[in-house]
This record gives sequence, C-alpha cells and structure tokens, in this order.
Amino acid sequence: DTAVSQTPKYLVTQMGNDKSIKCEQNLGHDTMYWYKQDSKKFLKIMFSYNNKELIINETVPNRFSPKSPDKAHLNLHINSLELGDSAVYFCASSQEHLEAYEQYFGPGTRLTVT
Amino acid sequence: GQSLEQPSEVTAVEGAIVQINCTYQTSGFYGLSWYQQHDGGAPTFLSYNALDGLEETGRFSSFLSRSDSYGYLLLQELQMKDSASYFCAVRLMEYGNKLVFGAGTILRVKS
Repeated sequence: DTAVSQTPKYLVTQMGNDKSIKCEQNLGHDTMYWYKQDSKKFLKIMFSYNNKELIINETVPNRFSPKSPDKAHLNLHINSLELGDSAVYFCASSQEHLEAYEQYFGPGTRLTVT
Repeated sequence: GQSLEQPSEVTAVEGAIVQINCTYQTSGFYGLSWYQQHDGGAPTFLSYNALDGLEETGRFSSFLSRSDSYGYLLLQELQMKDSASYFCAVRLMEYGNKLVFGAGTILRVKS
C-alpha cells in the first residue's frame, strides 16, 4: 500500500499552460505539504495544510494555488507555467503539524516546462 | 533568516564510519531532523533530535548540541546502498512548525 501518492509522476508541458498535480495520503495524517526541489536538489517548502486549513504559505508566486478538499488530499494547481517552474515537486504528510519533524514524502512529480 | 551548512560531498569506503556535520543559524529552533534521498527517489526520514545528545537507530546515529548550533549524522558499517544525499533540516518555532532543509550532502560509498 502506497502511503503518499502523487500523480502524475512526470509532466512535460509548454510555457503558458496550466497544470495540476494531485496528492493523496492514506496514513490518516492531519498535515500535508508541498515542496519544490530544484536542479541543485535544494528542497524548499511551498505550502502546508493542517486539516484542510492553510498554515504555511511561503513566498511563492500566486500562479501556484494549493487546494485541500479533505485532509487526505492536497492538490497543487499552477497557472501560466514558466521555464523556472521546472523542478521536482514533492508532496509530504505528517501526523500533525507539531510532528513536522517526521514527514512522509510522495514519489515526486518531475515537471518540465519547455 | 535561517541558514544551514553541511558539506556538499563525502566519500567513504564500505564498512567504514562516516560523519556528516550540520551547523545552523536560526531563531526559534525546535529540533534537527535528518533525511536520506537516493537518486530519483523521495526523501525518507532518518532521525530527529530535540534535545542535546546522541540518538541511535541501528547503524545510524544522530547528535545535537544546541549550545553549539551543531549536529551530525553518523553512519556505521557503511554499505553501498548508503550512497545517497543526506539532508539536515531544522524544525522552527514558527506558526506551522515548518522544516527548513540544508542543501544536502552527497555520500559516495566505494568498495
């Protein structure tokens, strides 16, 4: 059983397009996160939701919009894609936000913008 | 702001012991986590230190000194499969308890 899953695994698209990445966790966790990992492997948090409530919103272009329909799902929608958005996007979850030190990551979505 | 420093690369031989250091400068520090990431894979949680001292989990141990703003990950009896990137991450006392990751250390294990 996959604990944290993401779809799609790979996403190749052109500049200006809009795309979404979906994430689901079956661990019963309350908190979910989106991270961006760039080509130098630097891992940076973008957003965090705790029980469907946004609790972390880093300095991210407003072209990025997270949505949490329920605490098991956290989706990421990106408008007007730019070349600089090319990266691996990881979804993660933790039991609750106070246990953010132990996060379970999904397999990642490699986004390539051409 | 926050900053974390760890070596960019470390090389060791199979069976050896290696230590990956992490120094941090941050306010509102809660604790230090370590994650492992193989090429093409996802980060996986290894250990967490909230208090000073050594935490041992099998071949891996992690140490924290809050007064020195310093921690390390110790890997013993190195195996080829330990070749991966290792990230330290500080847990911050900000609303949301976010993790801020270091740039990662690539560990290469040679036979």
